[in-house]
Amino acid sequence: DAGITQSPRHKVTETGTPVTLRCHQTENHRYMYWYRQDPGHGLRLIHYSYGVKDTDKGEVSDGYSVSRSKTEDFLLTLESATSSQTSVYFCAISRDSTYNEQFFGPGTRLTVL
Amino acid sequence: KNQVEQSPQSLIILEGKNCTLQCNYTVSPFSNLRWYKQDTGRGPVSLTIMTFSENTKSNGRYTATLDADTKQSSLHITASQLSDSASYICVVSPHSGNTGKLIFGQGTTLQVKP
Repeated sequence: DAGITQSPRHKVTETGTPVTLRCHQTENHRYMYWYRQDPGHGLRLIHYSYGVKDTDKGEVSDGYSVSRSKTEDFLLTLESATSSQTSVYFCAISRDSTYNEQFFGPGTRLTVL
Repeated sequence: KNQVEQSPQSLIILEGKNCTLQCNYTVSPFSNLRWYKQDTGRGPVSLTIMTFSENTKSNGRYTATLDADTKQSSLHITASQLSDSASYICVVSPHSGNTGKLIFGQGTTLQVKP
C-alpha cells in the first residue's frame, strides 16, 4: 500500500460521538486525500491537503474536518458522528497533483450506530 | 456535470476467458484516464494511466484503450485468473489545475470462476 497506513482499521461508535481517523505516510508526498466509499457510489472526495496546514474541501465535506500539522499525517475528524457517515474511508497520497498518480491506503471501516 | 459511467455493473466469467469492461465519460477537457483494481477489503491499486493523446496502454494481461473522440475507454483482461476477481474502477482526472480532484466511476465487479 505504498507506505500508507490508516488507523484504526475498524471502528464502531455511537451517534453524536467524535471520531478521528488517522492517515500516515512514509513517502513524503505533498498531497493527501480523504475519500469515502459507499455502495452505489464511486469513491467521493471529502477533503484534501496540498501541504502542511493547507487543506481544501471535496464534494462531500459537510460534517467532516481535517488537519495536517506534519507532512506525514492527515487526520479526518467527525465532530459528531451520524449514521449517514457509516462508510469505508480511504486515505490517498500523491506526489504531483498535476499527474494525479494517487496511491491508496488500506481503508478504515466505520460504523455509526 | 462531469460523470464517469461504467458497464456492466457486474460480470461473471470462467477462468481462462477474456473480458472487456467499458467506461464512458463526459469529463472535458481531461488530463488523464486511469483504471484501478480494488480487491475486496483493500484500497484501489492503479493498473494503467493514459493521457488524452494515448490510445492504448498495457500492464501484463490488462490492456486499456481510449477513444477521446467518443469519450470511451475499455479495459480488456486476457486469459483471466481467479486473482482477477475484483472491482475495476475507471477514473478521470479533469484538466482543472492542481486540485487532484478525480472523478470516479462506480466500478465493475468481476468474478472469475474456476
